[in-house]
Formats: sequence, C-alpha cells, structure tokens
Amino acid sequence: GESVGLHLPTLSVQEGDNSIINCAYSNSASDYFIWYKQESGKGPQFIIDIRSNMDKRQGQRVTVLLNKTVKHLSLQIAATQPGDSAVYFCAEILNAGGTSYGKLTFGQGTILTVHP
Amino acid sequence: ETGVTQTPRHLVMGMTNKKSLKCEQHLGHNAMYWYKQSAKKPLELMFVYSLEERVENNSVPSRFSPECPNSSHLFLHLHTLQPEDSALYLCASSQTAIAGVDTQYFGPGTRLTVL
Repeated sequence: GESVGLHLPTLSVQEGDNSIINCAYSNSASDYFIWYKQESGKGPQFIIDIRSNMDKRQGQRVTVLLNKTVKHLSLQIAATQPGDSAVYFCAEILNAGGTSYGKLTFGQGTILTVHP
Repeated sequence: ETGVTQTPRHLVMGMTNKKSLKCEQHLGHNAMYWYKQSAKKPLELMFVYSLEERVENNSVPSRFSPECPNSSHLFLHLHTLQPEDSALYLCASSQTAIAGVDTQYFGPGTRLTVL
C-alpha cells in the first residue's frame, strides 16, 4: 500500500513574537518530561526538562508548563528568533530514577518556522 | 557539536547487503543508545547499553544487531534490511542509563536508504 508520513503540526511566527508549542503526552503515570529541539541535519538537542511534581520551570527564554490533569505539556519561547526554527519534540519517561533504563517516549513533533 | 559523532552520515544499501553504522562519544559517558527516526513514526528507542551491557531491546527485529565494544563506541550491524527500514538512525549517550537522571546527547544521525 501507499506509505503515509507523519503530518507534523506547524507553527509560523514573526521574529520577536512569543511562541507556544503544545504536546499531549500519553501516560498519566509519566513523571519526567523533556523538550528537545531538532534542526535540519542534526540530532535532537536538549532544551529544558520538568518533573511531575512541578507545574512550571523556566530557562533562558524558554518556559515549560505541565498540566497533569489533562496530560498536557507546553513550551513557551520568548522573543523568538530565526535560529529557533526547528522541529520541537516533547518526550516522557515513566518511573524516572527507577529501573526503566533511559527509555524516552517521544511525541511526533511540531515544526516551528520563524520569519525575519 | 554535542560530542557524539556518527558515520557514515548517509548510506544507501540493497536488501541483501551487510553494512554497519558507527557511533563514538567523546563525553566520557557510560550509557549509549540507538534510536530510529522515520517519516511515519515518532522517534523510537531501539537499544540501550549501560557499561557495555545491553539493558534494553525495544522489540527490534534481529536484522538489526548492536555491538558495544567499549563505553565510547557503539555499532549497529545491518543485514537483509527491508525498504521500510529506511530512516534516520540516531545515536545518543548519557552519563548513566538511569531514566530521567542524565541528559541524553544525540549525534547527527545516519540517513539510511534501503533499495
């Protein structure tokens, strides 16, 4: 049969705007979450993480929000720049710090395009 | 750069060929990983090695055979692959393999095309 690729959500913003990228995760028992950025021709790069006992965590120009009630994670990027253009992935881990060896479960990703 | 290198960056092979992908990390980490990134599915974990011992095999077909001769090097041996195995194969490493403790650093990947 015909193969069908993933249809990734896309977000287009103007330089200087704030961006919000959303992710719905799958397992209500997941206790650790990570956002990765993947630029063209490169592997995923760690941006920020958050544990399930937190609702919000801030980094440099980025903020992650966690809503466990609806299993939703968001990444906010302030003053978005053209260099922020990439695919953004959320990932979840069950039983962080336990015996599940580094098993990240990734979301499908969102394509962010920043226009100068 | 992340300190994780992969070779080759691109590989085209026939279904009857045997080839190997190589990953090297220069970070002094003790855990290494293989992931598959295809156009049809989200990034998927394939194998996890901790201190050169395989600790996770995520239901990967036997036509993919990993090897970890030391904590700095990881190989993925390929034989009799199928066209649906065409994907970007990513290697990662972390200080330990304990979930959620240490950040995983990814290499740039090998773009594999199976004809």
